[in-house]
Amino acid sequence: NAGVTQTPKFQVLKTGQSMTLQCAQDMNHEYMSWYRQDPGMGLRLIHYSVGAGITDQGEVPNGYNVSRSTTEDFPLRLLSAAPSQTSVYFCASSYPTVPLSYTFGSGTRLTVV
Amino acid sequence: AQTVTQSQPEMSVQEAETVTLSCTYDTSESNYYLFWYKQPPSRQMILVIRQEAYKQQNATENRFSVNFQKAAKSFSLKISDSQLGDTAMYFCAFTLYSGAGSYQLTFGKGTKLSVIP
Repeated sequence: NAGVTQTPKFQVLKTGQSMTLQCAQDMNHEYMSWYRQDPGMGLRLIHYSVGAGITDQGEVPNGYNVSRSTTEDFPLRLLSAAPSQTSVYFCASSYPTVPLSYTFGSGTRLTVV
Repeated sequence: AQTVTQSQPEMSVQEAETVTLSCTYDTSESNYYLFWYKQPPSRQMILVIRQEAYKQQNATENRFSVNFQKAAKSFSLKISDSQLGDTAMYFCAFTLYSGAGSYQLTFGKGTKLSVIP
């Protein structure tokens, strides 16, 4: 099935632990991005990539790391989890051509205790 | 930096009635897109409607239409003949498609819509 696949769907971490949220797309999209969704805040951009080997920071990058070694995959790493990183995380991808259209993954609900 | 404001945190509408969700944005750029996304309890982000800034004609998708006022930087969503399945959180979003910051979506804080039987 074409689309954006995020794993895991749910995760509970202890403060200080590290983990990687996976994001994979099979549509050959050049642009990929990570957002976090917090109550009353909408979605905010964490990191994005315009192609393999190219990444950049978004609005809220602190505490997160990304890399893009292939077009298909864009993992998000939490280096040392903090309760403030409790959130729902979304990965999205798109072609950088008009008309613009974004495909979102189904999200990962992360709880840091 | 671009900003998107949704001034209605919650709204409700009777089934079969019409409701309008408001969105304003701020940008000094001219090449951009505006979107409305629906997020039901399943939390999946679903594209409702999309508007290219250079198009003067308002976008429509079945029961969903927008009122795009470029000079006023306003982008409201009208839902006609509301259905129970329209109950969801609705997000307005903005992105440039040329220059610095292209393709980075900026979201409003959302409007929670409840359709009442």
